[in-house]
Amino acid sequence: TQLLEQSPQFLSIQEGENLTVYCNSSSVFSSLQWYRQEPGEGPVLLVTVVTGGEVKKLKRLTFQFGDARKDSSLHITAAQPGDTGLYLCAGDKNAGNMLTFGGGTRLMVKP
Amino acid sequence: KAGVTQTPRYLIKTRGQQVTLSCSPISGHRSVSWYQQTPGQGLQFLFEYFSETQRNKGNFPGRFSGRQFSNSRSEMNVSTLELGDSALYLCASSSRQGYNEQFFGPGTRLTVL
Repeated sequence: TQLLEQSPQFLSIQEGENLTVYCNSSSVFSSLQWYRQEPGEGPVLLVTVVTGGEVKKLKRLTFQFGDARKDSSLHITAAQPGDTGLYLCAGDKNAGNMLTFGGGTRLMVKP
Repeated sequence: KAGVTQTPRYLIKTRGQQVTLSCSPISGHRSVSWYQQTPGQGLQFLFEYFSETQRNKGNFPGRFSGRQFSNSRSEMNVSTLELGDSALYLCASSSRQGYNEQFFGPGTRLTVL
């Protein structure tokens, strides 16, 4: 059982559509990070959220950390083919650098 | 700053062999973590080294080991390879300041035949 549950696992949408990816846990995290990974490459850090209720925006991407710091969401507005990739959430429970990753959401945006 | 580098990028081994993977962190980063990524299990934490000392260890058998050198470069070793060890092995470096933000290398794709 994953400590961090991501949903959906797969998402295929048309260019211009909006989407939301969820990352849920029963555990509290001191911080939560979102990464994007492309085939053959390592994950690239998109954002870190640390405060309950925090909302961060990165161009068309909006990240939210739940009030209780147990869940997070990533919303993409007007998705583009360049957004295609594997999106991963990862939580830190203050155990040093031992991140716990969600199972990932594989997004495909069709032109 | 140059990113995290990993060598080799691809490796093919047979069951029972052993393998050593190498990771050079971002300059100035003293923490190196290793992760295993497979389609079935996703990304799983192996271990973390900081200033040549193992600080955290994930739930992997003793066949998986690592070390870190004084220049922060790290190596990971897997002995007596099994088919299930086929995976992408990712190294990440961190300054260990702030919120544990990890910067990943491109990974080493290990195939065990």
